[in-house]
Amino acid sequence: RKEVEQDPGPFNVPEGATVAFNCTYSNSASQSFFWYRQDCRKEPKLLMSVYSSGNEDGRFTAQLNRASQYISLLIRDSKLSDSATYLCVVSDFNKFYFGSGTKLNVKP
Amino acid sequence: DAGVTQSPTHLIKTRGQQVTLRCSPISGHKSVSWYQQVLGQGPQFIFQYYEKEERGRGNFPDRFSARQFPNYSSELNVNALLLGDSALYLCASSLGRGNTEAFFGQGTRLTVV
Repeated sequence: RKEVEQDPGPFNVPEGATVAFNCTYSNSASQSFFWYRQDCRKEPKLLMSVYSSGNEDGRFTAQLNRASQYISLLIRDSKLSDSATYLCVVSDFNKFYFGSGTKLNVKP
Repeated sequence: DAGVTQSPTHLIKTRGQQVTLRCSPISGHKSVSWYQQVLGQGPQFIFQYYEKEERGRGNFPDRFSARQFPNYSSELNVNALLLGDSALYLCASSLGRGNTEAFFGQGTRLTVV
């Protein structure tokens, strides 16, 4: 079983839509959680950290459910520029585990 | 401030050769991690170094090795290259160990022929 699992998508949504991604992780001792975005043939860029209480950054909201071992990312009012692959990342202090990513295509 | 810098950006090697990739972290960051990313997959963790010591290792063969220097820059070495080693190699720097946010360099694209 992979440490981090994500639906690969693609999610094809119109501009202005709300879209949600989920990610599950296998290690209950995981300590830190992040969402990264990666554009085609570029390096991953940190989107946001994920906290137990949930956190919001503009149009982006991240949630962590430790009991069910899943992490979510909600994007409201999607923009064309949100088109990218979104990577879920889980850390157990010494290692970072990346999911395979969920591809988002925002259409005009 | 300069971000994470990696060199070279692209590299072509033949099977059996050895390669050294280099990474300079963000100023003030003491931790460097290395990842391998093949097309269509997420980055796979190879090593983490913090304060010049190896702190974590992923499931990669002993052909992969790394080190961190007193200035916190790092090198990743891969010996006896295989075709399957062709990938984007990413370096990430962070202030501390695994719980802190990591920032990536642009990567070195290695092609083994």
